[in-house]
Amino acid sequence: EVQLVESGGGLVQPGRSMKLSCAASGFTFNNYDMAWVCQAPKKGLEWVATISYDGSSTYYRDSVKGRFTISRDNAKSTLYLQMDSLRSEDTATYYCARLGTILDYWGQGVMVTVSS
Amino acid sequence: DIQMTQSPPSLSASLGETVSIECRASEDIYSNLAWYQQKSGKSPQLLIYYASSLQDGVPSRFSGSGSGTQYSLKISGMQPEDEGVYYCLQGSKYPNTFGAGTKLELK
Repeated sequence: EVQLVESGGGLVQPGRSMKLSCAASGFTFNNYDMAWVCQAPKKGLEWVATISYDGSSTYYRDSVKGRFTISRDNAKSTLYLQMDSLRSEDTATYYCARLGTILDYWGQGVMVTVSS
Repeated sequence: DIQMTQSPPSLSASLGETVSIECRASEDIYSNLAWYQQKSGKSPQLLIYYASSLQDGVPSRFSGSGSGTQYSLKISGMQPEDEGVYYCLQGSKYPNTFGAGTKLELK
């Protein structure tokens, strides 16, 4: 069974940093590209970033370029999202997702609140 | 960026009624279109990929169609468990973009 479990969220002040993790199991992690998607409270879904299966390629939405870094450790089957210079508008639930033919499996999400 | 225009924003359907949700892309996305269902407080669940392929385990009352810039999701016979918010996603180009969502309720 495919499982994706996010961790690392919480309350953080504007301008500070936070690192999210996503532990994967139930599939061969290093065969799949992976992604982060966010959802602000009571809002729709927004793609954040994608990383290739081997970490060689990364893609970001414009609003997080230069502030967020997606990475992975295939030996640990873990995906990461390093979020720097956080803004109030980054407040959201962050989901990690496996990229099969499309984003086919999602984690349960982790809440990040950026507030002073 | 590719814009995904989803309609209607909300929908109310009776038990057994057939409902349709549309997504229009701002350019050709070559059937790289998926549909998701999100229930309250839960993560999105994939229903349809490549515009018309049914994800394993999804009831056959869900179907997708379309090509080019126009796509639709049909639920043939609304059930109580189908309540939720439905989103389309284009995976043709980065940034991947979602529709704004359609809230489906049982009348």
